Amino acid sequence: TQLLEQSPQFLSIQEGENLTVYCNSSSVFSSLQWYRQEPGEGPVLLVTVVTGGEVKKLKRLTFQFGDARKDSSLHITAAQPGDTGLYLCAGRSNDYKLSFGAGTTVTVRA
Amino acid sequence: NAGVTQTPKFQVLKTGQSMTLQCAQDMNHNSMYWYRQDPGMGLRLIYYSASEGTTDKGEVPNGYNVSRLNKREFSLRLESAAPSQTSVYFCASSPGAPGTIYFGEGSWLTVV
Repeated sequence: TQLLEQSPQFLSIQEGENLTVYCNSSSVFSSLQWYRQEPGEGPVLLVTVVTGGEVKKLKRLTFQFGDARKDSSLHITAAQPGDTGLYLCAGRSNDYKLSFGAGTTVTVRA
Repeated sequence: NAGVTQTPKFQVLKTGQSMTLQCAQDMNHNSMYWYRQDPGMGLRLIYYSASEGTTDKGEVPNGYNVSRLNKREFSLRLESAAPSQTSVYFCASSPGAPGTIYFGEGSWLTVV
């Protein structure tokens, strides 16, 4: 059983469309991170959110941490083919242990 | 710009064979990690080393051993490989906890 559930598992959209990926848990996390992973590479950190209700923006990406610090969302505006990849959320429950979701594979078609 | 370097990149083992995955980081990080990634399962922590000289079990430690050889190097050993250990293995490091984690490029291991 995954501690963090991501949905949807797969998402295929046309360039210019918007998309949202969700990350949900019944556990409370001290912080939550989002990573992007491209084929043949390791995950790369996009953002860390720490405070309940926090919203962070990274160009066309908007990340939100739920008020109760149990869930998060990633919204991409006007998606581009370069946004294609596997998006992983990871919750930190103590200093050294990150629990990862299974990931959402996003494909943006030109 | 090496960052975290893992070797080998690809390996095929027969059931029962042993092997060691090597990992080195050049960022002077205190903490190092080994994860495995399986389809539909995300990344799962096998072992971690909070600092040189210490190691601790993660979520899925059975069948693995680790050695923090020095501050730079953290190796993962499979003593008797099993098909269930077929996976992609990632080494990672961070300055400390809860700092940003930097991942290597992965090692693809197939056990037949």
